[in-house]
Amino acid sequence: AQSVTQLDSQVPVFEEAPVELRCNYSSSVSVYLFWYVQYPNQGLQLLLKYLSGSTLVKGINGFEAEFNKSQTSFHLRKPSVHISDTAEYFCAVSEPGNTGKLIFGQGTTLQVKP
Amino acid sequence: NAGVTQTPKFRILKIGQSMTLQCTQDMNHNYMYWYRQDPGMGLKLIYYSVGAGITDKGEVPNGYNVSRSTTEDFPLRLELAAPSQTSVYFCASSETLYNEQFFGPGTRLTVL
Repeated sequence: AQSVTQLDSQVPVFEEAPVELRCNYSSSVSVYLFWYVQYPNQGLQLLLKYLSGSTLVKGINGFEAEFNKSQTSFHLRKPSVHISDTAEYFCAVSEPGNTGKLIFGQGTTLQVKP
Repeated sequence: NAGVTQTPKFRILKIGQSMTLQCTQDMNHNYMYWYRQDPGMGLKLIYYSVGAGITDKGEVPNGYNVSRSTTEDFPLRLELAAPSQTSVYFCASSETLYNEQFFGPGTRLTVL
């Protein structure tokens, strides 16, 4: 079965520093990959997605992610974080088939300090 | 355009009680999903639907039931609530396969 591992449960970082949130998935077959963000007491919203094409994907709020098929990774990066980026970040992979079901990682809490 | 709405926002149930969590979307999406979120565990899929009249089980369906009589509504029914069902429940919808899932604000349920 498909699985997603987010390697860090918490990532503390100072404002304006770069950050990388790591995500690995288990499947070796073609997958679609997503990063979602959850601000406190809110639902999830899409940051970016990889379906095909260029392995470097740009999303909202200055985030980007790189799809690496050989390492089955989809790490999220931002060159300079803001206090407002403090949130929970979820990596997700679509399960092959025709249902659109997503398998989520455990989440990474990004804590941006002033 | 309200997107995905969920009611109630909060609820406390006693063990053995039943309730229905409501989910409505106004985007005419065919695909709808119910997830539960437990601390440190990410989101787990409970049930999903690929269109009106079609539902299927996800990863953690035990103790829940769903129906999808219209495109807009996808209620989740809890029968005989148990403390293990204490969680935050999210409903989501998607226009097409592998497209963005739009999430509602969630329902925080406590079973005591």
